Amino acid sequence: QVQLVQSGTEVKKPGASVKVSCKASGYTFTGYYMHWVRQAPGQGLEWMGWVNPNNSGTNYAQTFQGWVTMTRDTSISTAYMELSRLKSDDTAVYYCARSSGMAAAGNFDYWGQGTLVTVSS
Amino acid sequence: SYVLTQPPSVSVAPGQTASITCGGNNIGSKSVHWYQQKPGQAPVLVVYDDSDRPSGIPERFSGSNSGNTATLTISRVEAGDEADYYCQVWDSSRDHVVFGGGTELTVL
Repeated sequence: QVQLVQSGTEVKKPGASVKVSCKASGYTFTGYYMHWVRQAPGQGLEWMGWVNPNNSGTNYAQTFQGWVTMTRDTSISTAYMELSRLKSDDTAVYYCARSSGMAAAGNFDYWGQGTLVTVSS
Repeated sequence: SYVLTQPPSVSVAPGQTASITCGGNNIGSKSVHWYQQKPGQAPVLVVYDDSDRPSGIPERFSGSNSGNTATLTISRVEAGDEADYYCQVWDSSRDHVVFGGGTELTVL
């Protein structure tokens, strides 16, 4: 069965960086785009971008361009999202989500469990 | 950029029908997907491609999409349907995903 298992809770100071991992299993990792979505406390879903595990291509939401980096390691079927220069309003739950079809477009049929990142001095 | 507009909240009595709208410019030309999110949980896909249901989702969940409005309809609402619901589309002009702001469904 398809599973996306994310890394654990992180607490960071303002200005630091955080790298969240998303380990995939139960399907061919390189066959499906991986997206990242975040949700601040009490707020809605905010799309951050995607990574193509097949060729490492990326596309980021304009809000995050210049300070997010999405990568992957095909040898261990894991996607990563790194956010730099953290601010307090980056405190959120970060999700990885698989695109259902073999394209970036489409719906998200599987989600990770979420990783809480808290930014506090 | 493309914008999706949802009502912040919808209330419905048990057993009745809930309709949650998602407005966007010519959204009828796009495929709309809907997610249910309960507190402390990751979102779950309940309707995709306007009106299809993933396996395991009750037939009570249905969707439609035309013109400038897509609608998620939940028939015979149950207490367990209380959750936040989000619509989502693909903005092909930017290769970006767009989410609506979300609708809190309250079962009275």
